[in-house]
Amino acid sequence: AQSVTQLDSQVPVFEEAPVELRCNYSSSVSVYLFWYVQYPNQGLQLLLKYLSGSTLVKGINGFEAEFNKSQTSFHLRKPSVHISDTAEYFCAVSVYAGKSTFGDGTTLTVKP
Amino acid sequence: EAGVAQSPRYKIIEKRQSVAFWCNPISGHATLYWYQQILGQGPKLLIQFQNNGVVDDSQLPKDRFSAERLKGVDSTLKIQPAKLEDSAVYLCASSSLSSSGGDPYEQYFGPGTRLTVT
Repeated sequence: AQSVTQLDSQVPVFEEAPVELRCNYSSSVSVYLFWYVQYPNQGLQLLLKYLSGSTLVKGINGFEAEFNKSQTSFHLRKPSVHISDTAEYFCAVSVYAGKSTFGDGTTLTVKP
Repeated sequence: EAGVAQSPRYKIIEKRQSVAFWCNPISGHATLYWYQQILGQGPKLLIQFQNNGVVDDSQLPKDRFSAERLKGVDSTLKIQPAKLEDSAVYLCASSSLSSSGGDPYEQYFGPGTRLTVT
């Protein structure tokens, strides 16, 4: 079975500052990794995914994530955040297309 | 293209009552998922359909939850009887198959139905 741990439940940051949201996973087999964003009263939207190849993955809205197999991590980063990035962020892992196991989320709050 | 549609958006019921949620996926998406998202937690997969067949329902509490996708398009999820711990947001998502030229790893989510059981 797979599991996901998002190390920070809340991350406050000032506008235009860099941010890192941390995600560790556990699995005995190779996995695919995802980051989703959820705005209030909306469904989840895929930010980026790692399937194979380059360990640095670029996504929408200026976000990127790096897959580190030895550390079993998939941290999400953005060099300069905006107020509009305030949302809930979920890391997820799967071993095949379909069933994903999600972390409990990180609330990113961007302050002016 | 239209997104994943869900109704109702909100529902309040008393425990032991029954409730049903409806989902219409993106046109042409063969795979449909129902997730339960309890406040403060990530979504948990309840059931996955491919066309009208069940791929995974290992986390569906089958004594009270049921789901169907009879014509391989829209789907309903039912709870009967509801318990207090069923209070959650129920999310529907869909994805396409690689055989149809789509990305099976990209799931598109609807806005969800917020269920409150009192």
